Amino acid sequence: QKEVEQNSGPLSVPEGAIASLNCTYSDRGSQSFFWYRQYSGKSPELIMFIYSNGDKEDGRFTAQLNKASQYVSLLIRDSQPSDSATYLCAAYTGTASKLTFGTGTRLQVTL
Amino acid sequence: DTAVSQTPKYLVTQMGNDKSIKCEQNLGHDTMYWYKQDSKKFLKIMFSYNNKELIINETVPNRFSPKSPDKAHLNLHINSLELGDSAVYFCASSKQENEKLFFGSGTQLSVL
Repeated sequence: QKEVEQNSGPLSVPEGAIASLNCTYSDRGSQSFFWYRQYSGKSPELIMFIYSNGDKEDGRFTAQLNKASQYVSLLIRDSQPSDSATYLCAAYTGTASKLTFGTGTRLQVTL
Repeated sequence: DTAVSQTPKYLVTQMGNDKSIKCEQNLGHDTMYWYKQDSKKFLKIMFSYNNKELIINETVPNRFSPKSPDKAHLNLHINSLELGDSAVYFCASSKQENEKLFFGSGTQLSVL
């Protein structure tokens, strides 16, 4: 079982719709969670991070964390073609002092 | 000013050769990393250093040797390159281990 799992996609949503990206993690000791966006041929860049159960909103992005279910999600409202990229979920585990990435979900926002 | 810079951007070489990738960060961060991203986009940690001290070595073949001369630099030397080493290698840094990573632009390594 992978430590951080994501559906590889592609997830296709029409422009203006809500894109929902999901991630599960296996290590209950994971303390903080990150969403990175990676455009093709570029390096990952941080979109959101979340430490506590519940929702965290930043502009069009909302991160959701449910530690009991070991589940993290990222919602993108009013999706734009420029949101088309691969979204990487990552979990930080303090005991191992490391950040583990999922394999990413490719998002395609269609016109 | 580029925050995390790595060179070269592209590296094409023959099997069996030895090569190095250099990384420098000007953010004043204490922690630096090397990640390998394969063709399926899986980003896997290889090494992390905190203030020049090795923290993580993720079962990487000992052909890979990181070197941190100071906390702003983390270089990666690879001996006896193999076909399976072909990937994009990203250097990254963070203020502390549990904080946001700043990535370099990546080095596309192709072993022929």
